[in-house]
Amino acid sequence: GNSVTQMEGPVTLSEEAFLTINCTYTATGYPSLFWYVQYPGEGLQLLLKATKADDKGSNKGFEATYRKETTSFHLEKGSVQVSDSAVYFCALSLHTGNQFYFGTGTSLTVIP
Amino acid sequence: DTAVSQTPKYLVTQMGNDKSIKCEQNLGHDTMYWYKQDSKKFLKIMFSYNNKELIINETVPNRFSPKSPDKAHLNLHINSLELGDSAVYFCASSQGETQAFFGQGTRLTVV
Repeated sequence: GNSVTQMEGPVTLSEEAFLTINCTYTATGYPSLFWYVQYPGEGLQLLLKATKADDKGSNKGFEATYRKETTSFHLEKGSVQVSDSAVYFCALSLHTGNQFYFGTGTSLTVIP
Repeated sequence: DTAVSQTPKYLVTQMGNDKSIKCEQNLGHDTMYWYKQDSKKFLKIMFSYNNKELIINETVPNRFSPKSPDKAHLNLHINSLELGDSAVYFCASSQGETQAFFGQGTRLTVV
C-alpha cells in the first residue's frame, strides 16, 4: 500500500537552531512528494514539493530532497525562526491516480 | 478569490443532531477530499471523490456521508453527532498528482 511516516512531535527548538523533520514513504508507483505547513488557526498550505528522484524542493529557507534509494523526503532548515512555529505534514501523491496520502504531522515550536 | 472554501468555519451543536459542512472549489479540479484533524493535529483521510467515484476510508462511521451535487462541490453530512466527532474538518481538492489545495477548516464542537 501507500503511506507516509514522519517523526512524531512535538519538536521544540531555539531560534537559529537547525531543523530536521524525518519523512519516509511507501508507494506502489512513482510518487510526487510534498511538505505542507499549517500555521495556527489556518488550513494546510504547500511549502515545497519534488516530483522525481533526486529533485530538491525548496521554499522560505526549507529544503527537502527526494531520495528514492532510502524512500525519504526529510525536511531541513538551517536556522529556524519563531515564525516557523507550525505543524508540518509530509505527503505523497501518485502519478497514476488522484490520491494524496499524508503523514500524521509534526508540531514545531521555536522559542526565542 | 478563495480556491477552496468551506462553511461554516465554526459549528457548535448538541449530541444527536444532524449537521452539514459545505465545500466548494473554483479550481476546476476533478478530485475533492474530506480530512479530519484531531486534537493532536493528526490528519486522517475520510473520503476522496473523483469523477463520481467515491473512495471511503473504512474506519469512517456510516453516520458520515459525502454528497457531491457537481464537480465543484463536496458536502459532508453527519448524522447523530457524537462527542468524539469534535474535530477540525478540512476539505481539499487536487488535479492529478499536483498539489492539493485546502480550505480553512471547520471546527466542529459537539456538546
